[in-house]
Formats: sequence, C-alpha cells, structure tokens
Amino acid sequence: DVKVTQSSRYLVKRTGEKVFLECVQDMDHENMFWYRQDPGLGLRLIYFSYDVKMKEKGDIPEGYSVSREKKERFSLILESASTNQTSMYLCAASVLRETQYFGPGTRLLVL
Amino acid sequence: QKEVEQNSGPLSVPEGAIASLNCTYSDRGSQSFFWYRQYSGKSPELIMFIYSNGDKEDGRFTAQLNKASQYVSLLIRDSQPSDSATYLCAVNGEANAGKSTFGDGTTLTVKP
Repeated sequence: DVKVTQSSRYLVKRTGEKVFLECVQDMDHENMFWYRQDPGLGLRLIYFSYDVKMKEKGDIPEGYSVSREKKERFSLILESASTNQTSMYLCAASVLRETQYFGPGTRLLVL
Repeated sequence: QKEVEQNSGPLSVPEGAIASLNCTYSDRGSQSFFWYRQYSGKSPELIMFIYSNGDKEDGRFTAQLNKASQYVSLLIRDSQPSDSATYLCAVNGEANAGKSTFGDGTTLTVKP
C-alpha cells in the first residue's frame, strides 16, 4: 500500500526559528509536492519537484525553500518562521499525471 | 477567475439522497480529473479519477466529465452520514504533467 509520512503531526516554533518539515514516500514516485491548507483558502501549492535535485515554485513560495537530495525525501524549510506561516502543511507524491497521495499533515504553530 | 471552481457549499442532503458536487475548470488542455475526500482534520484521499468524457462509476460514486463544457461532477448515491466531508476537485493540465490544481472544496453534510 502507498505510504507518505511526515516527520511531525504537530509542531510549535517561535518567530525567527528555522523550521524543517520532512516528507518521505515509499512508492518510488517521481513527483513530490508541498502544500499549505488554511480555512477558506483551500490547498495552496508551495513547491514541487519532478526529480532529485529538481524543484519548481508553486503559487506561494515566498518564505519557503525545499530540498530533494534523494528520490524518496522532500523537505520544506521555513528560513525564518513567521506567525503568518501558522498552517497545516501537507506533502504529497504522485507519478506523472496520476493520483496524488498525501501524507497525514503537519500542523505548525508559530508563536 | 479561478482555474478550478467548485460549488461553494455547504451542501446538506438527507441520508439516502443523491448528493451532486460540481466543478468547472478553465484550462481546455486539461487531461486528468480527480475527486478527493477530506474528513475534518485529515488529509485528502482519492475517491475517483476520470480521463475520458462520459460517466465512470465506482460503487455509490459516479464521476461525470464533459470536456466541451469544461465540467466535471461527482454524484454520491444513497448518501450516508459517513460521506460527510469536504470534497476537492483537482485538475491536471497539459503544461505541467503531474501538477494538480485544486478547487477550494465543497463541504457535504449528510443528515441522518
């Protein structure tokens, strides 16, 4: 069965901290995605990656960066966390035009 | 105009009724269409995908696609309280294979 895991379910950080969110998939899928989801704003794409060491900006990349050193792992980095980055962060993986499989999500609170 | 638009909802139906969820998209070159279900506090999970015009049935769920009208819908027959969730429509365009554009979702409540 398909599995996408995220490093934390809940995370509390302070303003200005550097935050790492990790995502691992066990499906050998090429594509990986990071979204944030906020009430009333839907799913918004932050970054995505089609292959190792490749990344492309999504709709809201400001304040974020990503790293994909291995095919199965896609990391989201908040360089200097701010309160407006408090959100639910969802990682997903897919093959070509196929279904996206989502991880359980990380609920991040920035104080 | 949003690239993928869904009924804003919320939608409420009685148990046993048919729930109809609608989605329109703006990219005529779109190739793949997906419906995801998201329970409160959980991540989205696939309900159905459809690639060709027409209907596709899976149990109580039917997806309908009309590329000429740029319209995709999801029908849920014999709705159950367990179907209460937010339903997300997602569309994969031609330009960025694998990248989905999601609608904002329609929240469905099925009342016993």
